[in-house]
Amino acid sequence: SQTIHQWPATLVQPVGSPLSLECTVEGTSNPNLYWYRQAAGRGLQLLFYSVGIGQISSEVPQNLSASRPQDRQFILSSKKLLLSDSGFYLCAREGPGEQYFGPGTRLTVT
Amino acid sequence: AQSVTQLDSQVPVFEEAPVELRCNYSSSVSVYLFWYVQYPNQGLQLLLKYLSGSTLVKGINGFEAEFNKSQTSFHLRKPSVHISDTAEYFCAVSPMIKAAGNKLTFGGGTRVLVKP
Repeated sequence: SQTIHQWPATLVQPVGSPLSLECTVEGTSNPNLYWYRQAAGRGLQLLFYSVGIGQISSEVPQNLSASRPQDRQFILSSKKLLLSDSGFYLCAREGPGEQYFGPGTRLTVT
Repeated sequence: AQSVTQLDSQVPVFEEAPVELRCNYSSSVSVYLFWYVQYPNQGLQLLLKYLSGSTLVKGINGFEAEFNKSQTSFHLRKPSVHISDTAEYFCAVSPMIKAAGNKLTFGGGTRVLVKP
């Protein structure tokens, strides 16, 4: 089966601290991968997508960055978190005619 | 570019009553259409999708949606809801022409609260 793992499940971080969220995918090779953010009371916003190792496209300019060091690993990072970075972060991989989503990471910036 | 509008942010409905969630989109190119459901603190699960063919699409859990190209709509319906249908529902589109990736554009979501 094809599974998406996200780590951690929940995270509380102070403003100005760094961030690293990890997404790993099993059961498929060279998938297109995506990071979305869901802010409180808002829909999902595409942040980054990757079509391969080291290939990252940014959709929204902000203080976040993404990296893809391995075929099945997609990392979302920040050097200094803002309050506005709070939200639910979802990793997704592209499948035939749809996207499959991971369980998400709930980030609260205090 | 694409945009998706879900006209209702919240929809309260009694158990066993029908429900309709409205979705309208705009796009300069042809699109695929999707409905996803999100249960509290979980990821998104695909309910149904329209890629081509019949404009009436049936999905999981008794949901169906109808694609109306002239009205650029893709409304979701269920004839009789259960308590377990309480969740947030997202309409999304992606362009048929894929330059790179398959990016989804989501609507703002509709919270469905099923009351006993």
